[in-house]
Amino acid sequence: NAGVTQTPKFQVLKTGQSMTLQCAQDMNHNSMYWYRQDPGMGLRLIYYSASEGTTDKGEVPNGYNVSRLNKREFSLRLESAAPSQTSVYFCASSDLDLNEKLFFGSGTQLSVL
Amino acid sequence: GEDVEQSLFLSVREGDSSVINCTYTDSSSTYLYWYKQEPGAGLQLLTYIFSNMDMKQDQRLTVLLNKKDKHLSLRIADTQTGDSAIYFCAEIGGTSGTYKYIFGTGTRLKVLA
Repeated sequence: NAGVTQTPKFQVLKTGQSMTLQCAQDMNHNSMYWYRQDPGMGLRLIYYSASEGTTDKGEVPNGYNVSRLNKREFSLRLESAAPSQTSVYFCASSDLDLNEKLFFGSGTQLSVL
Repeated sequence: GEDVEQSLFLSVREGDSSVINCTYTDSSSTYLYWYKQEPGAGLQLLTYIFSNMDMKQDQRLTVLLNKKDKHLSLRIADTQTGDSAIYFCAEIGGTSGTYKYIFGTGTRLKVLA
């Protein structure tokens, strides 16, 4: 049982480049999330998907897009990367309506030069 | 508004008790959570407390909840070097179908040998 799998683990981009962060979960969870973690700011929600076919903006959505491809997969896309998007990105999943705990991937460390 | 606050750093000596504090704002949260993040890893659920409880004990961990003051604390007894990590408190905000976690800024616990 792999849980939440994120790829890649590390990525370096130049300003203006695009990339997609991939996330998949094998726990049949309805809800999936993308967070970014910055020093002294904790975790901030970028986008979330409460169920397959739906996505909603979180606290800091600007500069990002998401796709809930199916129940398992939730991808995060940076269309034109900026240095302010240098961060550690975490994908997570849960069945929050059942008050289940949040399961996290191991993170993607992204640097935008 | 939704805001969860924690102090950023705590340093204790091995064998002493650690107390990590948190204040939250959403009084409708059914559960309150403590997550632990070890270096280079995602967050993992450490413990949680149901909002109608005052205290929960789980081996070396004691969670205290003061609903009137919206104050949550995590006490770690006999703190070990392996407890060095970042600890996040979290509450759940929103309504059914749109629940989302709200995390604090995280407290970095450093255990000195």
